[in-house]
Amino acid sequence: GAGVSQTPSNKVTEKGKYVELRCDPISGHTALYWYRQSLGQGPEFLIYFQGTGAADDSGLPNDRFFAVRPEGSVSTLKIQRTERGDSAVYLCASSLGNSLPGELFFGEGSRLTVL
Amino acid sequence: KQEVTQIPAALSVPEGENLVLNCSFTDSAIYNLQWFRQDPGKGLTSLLLIQSSQREQTSGRLNASLDKSSGRSTLYIAASQPGDSATYLCAVINAGGTSYGKLTFGQGTILTVHP
Repeated sequence: GAGVSQTPSNKVTEKGKYVELRCDPISGHTALYWYRQSLGQGPEFLIYFQGTGAADDSGLPNDRFFAVRPEGSVSTLKIQRTERGDSAVYLCASSLGNSLPGELFFGEGSRLTVL
Repeated sequence: KQEVTQIPAALSVPEGENLVLNCSFTDSAIYNLQWFRQDPGKGLTSLLLIQSSQREQTSGRLNASLDKSSGRSTLYIAASQPGDSATYLCAVINAGGTSYGKLTFGQGTILTVHP
């Protein structure tokens, strides 16, 4: 596709429910990143994939958060037993594996609201 | 731990004015620094990327400077226009890491340019 695509754009769920957020990176981009942006804050790094493997998951806040990228393209961020504090915009970004550091292309995000 | 701070948090100016946004970071061992623009409900758009060995970058009416030793960067916007209204985010990548998309962001400056 022309850009990074994220679905759903908005998700409202109840506390305790399970949520999946999807990211379609730019075709040919081997690196994929998930960030979380709370209201009034800058994005915070969650996890980085190089191909199918999670090369750096140091930003995942706890074990309720998990992400996969089984075929090295689409990625899914999974949140179990959601809490109100998980409410945020979840941003996905992709880049060429051999690009300059920082040359990321961001999607428009998935806004998650946990009631 | 790298921390990025942006001042001011919000700025409102009349159209045509020249303005400066400030960014500071605590760890000067960075690989590069990047300025992004974020429109409401949208993802991030990269504006300028400055490598650690560079002092400034220019694109149109935008000029970004970097003083790595003092941990500061400024984004200068000339002849501001209402279309410049957005949140401006500063982000750095620490040197020595292997996760080249692991950006540390500031909280952003909300800019409003009124006609």
